[in-house]
Amino acid sequence: GAGVSQSPSNKVTEKGKDVELRCDPISGHTALYWYRQSLGQGLEFLIYFQGNSAPDKSGLPSDRFSAERTGGSVSTLTIQRTQQEDSAVYLCASSLVTGRSFFGQGTRLTVV
Amino acid sequence: GIQVEQSPPDLILQEGANSTLRCNFSDSVNNLQWFHQNPWGQLINLFYIPSGTKQNGRLSATTVATERYSLLYISSSQTTDSGVYFCAVARLTGGGNKLTFGTGTQLKVEL
Repeated sequence: GAGVSQSPSNKVTEKGKDVELRCDPISGHTALYWYRQSLGQGLEFLIYFQGNSAPDKSGLPSDRFSAERTGGSVSTLTIQRTQQEDSAVYLCASSLVTGRSFFGQGTRLTVV
Repeated sequence: GIQVEQSPPDLILQEGANSTLRCNFSDSVNNLQWFHQNPWGQLINLFYIPSGTKQNGRLSATTVATERYSLLYISSSQTTDSGVYFCAVARLTGGGNKLTFGTGTQLKVEL
């Protein structure tokens, strides 16, 4: 597509439920990243995909967080047993191997 | 990891004024980008500038990699320039373009 697309734009979920966030990167971009933006922590890296592989998962905060990418394109970030501290804006970005990163509009997750 | 510091943290300008935002980073980097986050939360890529100088309309940026800083210049500011400006850096390792962000400069341009 023309830009990075994320869905849903907003998600409100009850504590303890699982959520899935989706990212559709720019066509041809082999690299895909997930970041999280919260008031107390700023913008934090979560995970990096090159193709369908994730060589860097160092930013995932706990084993409740997982992500996958299929067909070198769409990625999903899954949060199991959500907690209130998971409330944040989850941002996806894509790029070529090097160079500029382009961000989606984000998914605002609220855990109540 | 790399530390990224931005200054000033907050800035208020009258429309038409010029400003300079600064980004200092603690280690050598292969990748430096400037972003504008608009009031709706969208991060817009302004510059990819690991070294040298680039200009795009009223905006320009300079990175002096050997001294580990970058500057973003905004000239003839407009109300639409309001938002948060982030500097982000990366070292090309197994993490690709894994970016470390500064804490941002919150800019408000008033009429």
